[in-house]
Amino acid sequence: GENVEQHPSTLSVQEGDSAVIKCTYSDSASNYFPWYKQELGKRPQLIIDIRSNVGEKKDQRIAVTLNKTAKHFSLHITETQPEDSAVYFCAASSPPDKLIFGTGTRLQVFP
Amino acid sequence: KAGVTQTPRYLIKTRGQQVTLSCSPISGHRSVSWYQQTPGQGLQFLFEYFSETQRNKGNFPGRFSGRQFSNSRSEMNVSTLELGDSALYLCASRPTPNQPQHFGDGTRLSIL
Repeated sequence: GENVEQHPSTLSVQEGDSAVIKCTYSDSASNYFPWYKQELGKRPQLIIDIRSNVGEKKDQRIAVTLNKTAKHFSLHITETQPEDSAVYFCAASSPPDKLIFGTGTRLQVFP
Repeated sequence: KAGVTQTPRYLIKTRGQQVTLSCSPISGHRSVSWYQQTPGQGLQFLFEYFSETQRNKGNFPGRFSGRQFSNSRSEMNVSTLELGDSALYLCASRPTPNQPQHFGDGTRLSIL
């Protein structure tokens, strides 16, 4: 069945450094890839998404890249801040629009 | 615009009982999806409803069921509760199935 693998499961960085989270999906028909941020005790919030007809998308300090051939996509956060600390989930949409989530990455940004 | 609203926020039940959770989507959103979130398994897809019809289904046993009403509100029912059903149940809505999902705060279900 459809599967999304996410790495690493935990990531610690110093404030100001960059953070990269990687995901691999199994269904070659997947065409939509959102990223969610979930702070402790709160709902997952959509932070950025990309569709399969685009290779890269940027929104201020956050960027997502997609490699359809390798079935791989990544989240890049630059100039990290303590408020970036949260659990980040990637997801891939398998037809018909079913979202399969990765297992999450706990990001800790130390001041 | 009000966000996705889930009720109740917390529930405590015992094994063998059944439970019904409710989700009111963002106004204008016709698609509602349900997820189970546990520390070990992450976010697991349960099912999606669109225009009162189940459009997608995850790999959960038949004890988990749902429905959607004409006003797009959705309910999820779990029968014969087991200890392993303890989890945060999240609902997400979107205008149509090919658009981004927005989550509610979830219902935390504890089984004793």
